[in-house]
Amino acid sequence: KAGVTQTPRYLIKTRGQQVTLSCSPISGHRSVSWYQQTPGQGLQFLFEYFSETQRNKGNFPGRFSGRQFSNSRSEMNVSTLELGDSALYLCASSLDYRDYEQFFGPGTRLTVL
Amino acid sequence: AQSVTQPDIHITVSEGASLELRCNYSYGATPYLFWYVQSPGQGLQLLLKYFSGDTLVQGIKGFEAEFKRSQSSFNLRKPSVHWSDAAEYFCAVAPTGTASKLTFGTGTRLQVTL
Repeated sequence: KAGVTQTPRYLIKTRGQQVTLSCSPISGHRSVSWYQQTPGQGLQFLFEYFSETQRNKGNFPGRFSGRQFSNSRSEMNVSTLELGDSALYLCASSLDYRDYEQFFGPGTRLTVL
Repeated sequence: AQSVTQPDIHITVSEGASLELRCNYSYGATPYLFWYVQSPGQGLQLLLKYFSGDTLVQGIKGFEAEFKRSQSSFNLRKPSVHWSDAAEYFCAVAPTGTASKLTFGTGTRLQVTL
């Protein structure tokens, strides 16, 4: 069974631009969570989607948004990029929102110049 | 607020030596506990998890962890470290009733000397 896939793996943007990251969960998994990892703040929860609905949201500004499609694939969008948004963005999938066991993808490394 | 503390930022051990990585949590009830490993440039891989029951749990790659309620700890151990174990290790807790699915510790970077 294929694991969680994230595209692209690397991305370079400039301040003020927007970016969209994609995540395909493990087949059969319907819950997708997003995390931001930075050296300063560590791993922080962004949001979780299940059945195309956002179920939980972390403490991030409204510039960070996401969505989930009917096939459980998810995208996250960051608008008006700031230098501090440079991070590794990790996607994790689980069977459903009641399942605390998450499987992580390799991440998308975003660099904002 | 719930939190996870990994007091050791960096640990160096010799190959073949034993390893113990510390993790303490702060939470009113017994949470779900996890250990993940992250190799450079990679995502996180689940090593083991504790939900309930036997307090000594076995994981992959020869790792084990022991849940001690009285100490609010969930330390990770391995009897004999291999050079390929060099990575960053994260303890995580999944508390109920909050918006955050997983709360992670700050991580412990393990270096293995030959």
